[in-house]
Amino acid sequence: QLQLQESGPGLVKSSETLSLTCTVSGGSVNSRSYYWGWIRQPPGKGLEWIGSVYYSGKTYYHPSLESRVTMSVDTSKNQFSLRLSSVTAADTAVYYCARLTIVMAWPPNYYMEVWGKGTTVTVFS
Amino acid sequence: DIVMTQSPDSLAVSLGERATINCRSSQSIFYTSNNKNYLAWYQQKPGQPPKLLINWASTRESGVPDRISGSGSGTDFTLTIASVQAEDVAIYYCQQFYSSPPTFGQGTKVESK
Repeated sequence: QLQLQESGPGLVKSSETLSLTCTVSGGSVNSRSYYWGWIRQPPGKGLEWIGSVYYSGKTYYHPSLESRVTMSVDTSKNQFSLRLSSVTAADTAVYYCARLTIVMAWPPNYYMEVWGKGTTVTVFS
Repeated sequence: DIVMTQSPDSLAVSLGERATINCRSSQSIFYTSNNKNYLAWYQQKPGQPPKLLINWASTRESGVPDRISGSGSGTDFTLTIASVQAEDVAIYYCQQFYSSPPTFGQGTKVESK
């Protein structure tokens, strides 16, 4: 059964870079059928898609975050990663990684089929 | 971006009663080429990640009880819980995957009366 597990610092200083990794087990990131993505949820609020990465390394980011986001995939470790630079308090959220089932090739679109448990990231000053 | 608007924001229902959640998209998310609505529903229980319940507006994921159903087309969609059980207390989100970026509704909280 596919499982995803987020890892990374729970506290990040304002203006610095948030870095998270998602480790996939029970399946492979090296798949043509899926993108791998990140979604976040600020405290008490709704869900926001951040972006996605394909096994080939192709990425697609939310336009509002594009200037600060970098995603990558490591097929040898069966992991994918998120980096978000110049963080502020507004980036405080639970960050989820997910497997995204592709419904449209380009620009890619998908629904979020399997989610990790999430990790809380707090930005402090 | 396509804006997804859910109503109501919250509802309290007695166990065994019907719950109806609405989701409206700011433009049609129906593709005539394949006759499909590009909409998913998720359930999020407290302290848990969202769980995919329904995709293509009405196709239940494996293991989702048949008291939960999705309907609608174009811009107006509905998630119905035919007879609410205690385990259905959660926040429900709709999400469009018609155009990028994928966007979610603000969520509807279902509580027990």
